[in-house]
Amino acid sequence: GNSVTQMEGPVTLSEEAFLTINCTYTATGYPSLFWYVQYPGEGLQLLLKATKADDKGSNKGFEATYRKETTSFHLEKGSVQVSDSAVYFCALSGKGGSASKIIFGSGTRLSIRP
Amino acid sequence: ETGVTQTPRHLVMGMTNKKSLKCEQHLGHNAMYWYKQSAKKPLELMFVYSLEERVENNSVPSRFSPECPNSSHLFLHLHTLQPEDSALYLCASSLSLTSSYNEQFFGPGTRLTVL
Repeated sequence: GNSVTQMEGPVTLSEEAFLTINCTYTATGYPSLFWYVQYPGEGLQLLLKATKADDKGSNKGFEATYRKETTSFHLEKGSVQVSDSAVYFCALSGKGGSASKIIFGSGTRLSIRP
Repeated sequence: ETGVTQTPRHLVMGMTNKKSLKCEQHLGHNAMYWYKQSAKKPLELMFVYSLEERVENNSVPSRFSPECPNSSHLFLHLHTLQPEDSALYLCASSLSLTSSYNEQFFGPGTRLTVL
C-alpha cells in the first residue's frame, strides 16, 4: 500500500540556516504530494503541493520538487526564520475513490534558534 | 466564518461523561474527516464521510461515535472514554473523495483531556 517516510526530528537550526527535510514515498500510480505545516496550538495547514512528476511546489520561501525517479519530495528553504518553528508533515494522495485519502508521514518538528 | 471551525477548542471530561465535538466547514466540500493526534504518534485517521455517508471506519472503539447530518457538519460523540483517549482531535474537509488531488483543509482541533 501507499506510505510516506520522512526524517525524524527534532531538527534544530539557527536563524538564516539552510533547511532540508527529507521525504520519500511508496505508491502505486502517480500520487499527488503535499507538505503540511502545524504551528503550535493549531491544526494542519497546506504549505505546498505538486501533482505530477517534476512539478515544483513553493510557498513562503519553501520549495519541494516531485522526483519520480527517486520517489522523493524533499522540503527545502534557503534561510529559515524563528517563525518557521513548527511540525512539518509530508503526505500523499492517490487519484480518485478511496485511493484519494491522504497518507501522512509521522511529522518532523523544526525548531529555529534566534 | 470561513474555512473549517471546531468547537470546543479545549475539553476536559471524566471517564463517565458524555460530550460531543463539533466541526463545521464553510467551503462547500463533500468529504469530511476525523483524525486523532497523540503526542509522539503519527496522525491517525478515524472516520471518513463522503456526502454524509460514512465510507471509512479505521477500527475505532465504539466509545467514539461520529455523525454527519449534512455535508457541512460533522460531530464526534464521546462516551465512557479512557485517559489514553486524551489527544488533539482534528477535523478536515476536502472537495470530494474523487477529485484529481485530494487537498484537505483542517480545523484548529479540539484538545481533549480525559481524567
